[in-house]
Amino acid sequence: AQTVTQSQPEMSVQEAETVTLSCTYDTSESDYYLFWYKQPPSRQMILVIRQEAYKQQNATENRFSVNFQKAAKSFSLKISDSQLGDAAMYFCAYRSAYYGQNFVFGPGTRLSVLP
Amino acid sequence: NAGVTQTPKFQVLKTGQSMTLQCAQDMNHNSMYWYRQDPGMGLRLIYYSASEGTTDKGEVPNGYNVSRLNKREFSLRLESAAPSQTSVYFCASSELPGSTGELFFGEGSRLTVL
Repeated sequence: AQTVTQSQPEMSVQEAETVTLSCTYDTSESDYYLFWYKQPPSRQMILVIRQEAYKQQNATENRFSVNFQKAAKSFSLKISDSQLGDAAMYFCAYRSAYYGQNFVFGPGTRLSVLP
Repeated sequence: NAGVTQTPKFQVLKTGQSMTLQCAQDMNHNSMYWYRQDPGMGLRLIYYSASEGTTDKGEVPNGYNVSRLNKREFSLRLESAAPSQTSVYFCASSELPGSTGELFFGEGSRLTVL
């Protein structure tokens, strides 16, 4: 079974600085999808960014980018120019391309943004 | 543009009481899911439905039942609530099969069982 690990339960960053959240996963599959979801205090789960494993190019969405290292099974999220609104729980998630109904979530990283 | 709507947002139950969480999506998605979120554990899948008329157990199905009423609606029922079911529950949908299959979530329902 696949597992997703987020080794940083909590992190903080100064406003306007850059922060990187770590995620590693364990799988024997070659084709899969990876996601980062954001959960602000409102509780709503919001998709931040997605990465297809067959794509070598790292995904980017405005201030959010990933460092996808397939061989190392690592999928980190970089937030540039951090804003107060980035404060939230961040969840890394894995979805198999073969058994796609089961998403596996990591335990989350709580990010604080300091003014 | 409602997306995924779940009700109620908050509920307090006594041990042994029953209740149903309702979920509806207006994105014409085939797949729907129920997750629970507990501190330090991320989201764990309770049940999912790959299409209308089908349901399957996820990681933590014990104590729950589901109904896929039609393509839009997927309900979660607690027949005899227990304190261990105190949690935040999320309904989600996705376009699976096809596409990258990301989940679209409702706003969550906080359930407390006394």
